[in-house]
Amino acid sequence: DAEITQSPRHKITETGRQVTLACHQTWNHNNMFWYRQDLGHGLRLIHYSYGVQDTNKGEVSDGYSVSRSNTEDLPLTLESAASSQTSVYFCASSEVAGTTGEQFFGPGTRLTVL
Amino acid sequence: ILNVEQSPQSLHVQEGDSTNFTCSFPSSNFYALHWYRWETAKSPEALFVMTLNGDEKKKGRISATLNTKEGYSYLYIKGSQPEDSATYLCAFYDDKIIFGKGTRLHILP
Repeated sequence: DAEITQSPRHKITETGRQVTLACHQTWNHNNMFWYRQDLGHGLRLIHYSYGVQDTNKGEVSDGYSVSRSNTEDLPLTLESAASSQTSVYFCASSEVAGTTGEQFFGPGTRLTVL
Repeated sequence: ILNVEQSPQSLHVQEGDSTNFTCSFPSSNFYALHWYRWETAKSPEALFVMTLNGDEKKKGRISATLNTKEGYSYLYIKGSQPEDSATYLCAFYDDKIIFGKGTRLHILP
């Protein structure tokens, strides 16, 4: 069965370290998204991609970067982790371009920055 | 930053009762409105994608309506069951995706 996975599921790191969160989907979806979920804020869009070599900034992109070298993967990198980036991170993908495609979410990665 | 408001924030409903809650969004530059269901310890799952003013969608006991001119969507649950307990999210699309903070629904046995 097609799926979307995230790794690691839990990560503890220290301030200033570089961290990469993996997202892998086997649906062959062109569109992939990264969100963070914090109490009182709901889901906020960090970065998104509509295809290989395409990346776009979302609402809260500062301190994060993504790259899209193939259809299946959209890794999220925190260049220099900060305590404010402690959060739960969700990756999602959708088949239909633009706004009409429902999104399929991964299981989430809980990141703690000490 | 666009505001997508969901109300109420939290709701307790007796099993068997029907309920509804609201998603409010900017009425200009509308592209689509999505509803997601998010159970504790799981990931959000899509319920409906709504694009046209007057859209009505239904999936089992859950239905949704859309009014793009006044900027709101209602989600209805008929005859609530314990398995309906979850957080219901709406997401508004113009050129970016903005999620509401959700309505947390608790079904009381």
